[in-house]
Amino acid sequence: LAKTTQPISMDSYEGQEVNITCSHNNIATNDYITWYQQFPSQGPRFIIQGYKTKVTNEVASLFIPADRKSSTLSLPRVSLSDTAVYYCLVAPHRGSTLGRLYFGRGTQLTVWP
Amino acid sequence: DGGITQSPKYLFRKEGQNVTLSCEQNLNHDAMYWYRQDPGQGLRLIYYSQIVNDFQKGDIAEGYSVSREKKESFPLTVTSAQKNPTAFYLCASSFATGQGTDTQYFGPGTRLTVL
Repeated sequence: LAKTTQPISMDSYEGQEVNITCSHNNIATNDYITWYQQFPSQGPRFIIQGYKTKVTNEVASLFIPADRKSSTLSLPRVSLSDTAVYYCLVAPHRGSTLGRLYFGRGTQLTVWP
Repeated sequence: DGGITQSPKYLFRKEGQNVTLSCEQNLNHDAMYWYRQDPGQGLRLIYYSQIVNDFQKGDIAEGYSVSREKKESFPLTVTSAQKNPTAFYLCASSFATGQGTDTQYFGPGTRLTVL
């Protein structure tokens, strides 16, 4: 599985847009990029997933450049409740990786009033 | 409501005692997982199961045991052989297509403290 690198922590203020970038230089052709969010003392939850260009849902947007060696999770107009750890994962769409998702340390996002 | 539950939320045990953590899901998922999380760290895979009566070791299986007698249940036993069992334990489930794009659904976690 491709390893990922993301900032350990980020700070923002309420109402701002937050962009968290994840580096995955060794991403393979079949790999998808997935982001999870974890609040304190809770399990992670799926936010968004993509393969290339841009994906948007009601929570976030995911931007993936043409070379796919990085990706950016964009959270519009954050609020205090967006304070959480955000994990970037890379795994192939085909082929068995069951049980082999790699949750690194993630990025601790702290939103201030 | 469909979901995944873990019990208890907090658990205290004396050193040397075995303890079993419960995990139940009604999402009709074939695959289930156990992770361990230490403060400020990511998740580390302990065991996973793709189908009833079958399970595989993850990265840190030593000192742990599991069973998968029912599709809905995947209990984890922390044995006295686990040298540092105090941690936050997370159970998850997913469809077992074997694809990396399978979304994992997590329970609320059990915080185990060994005194």
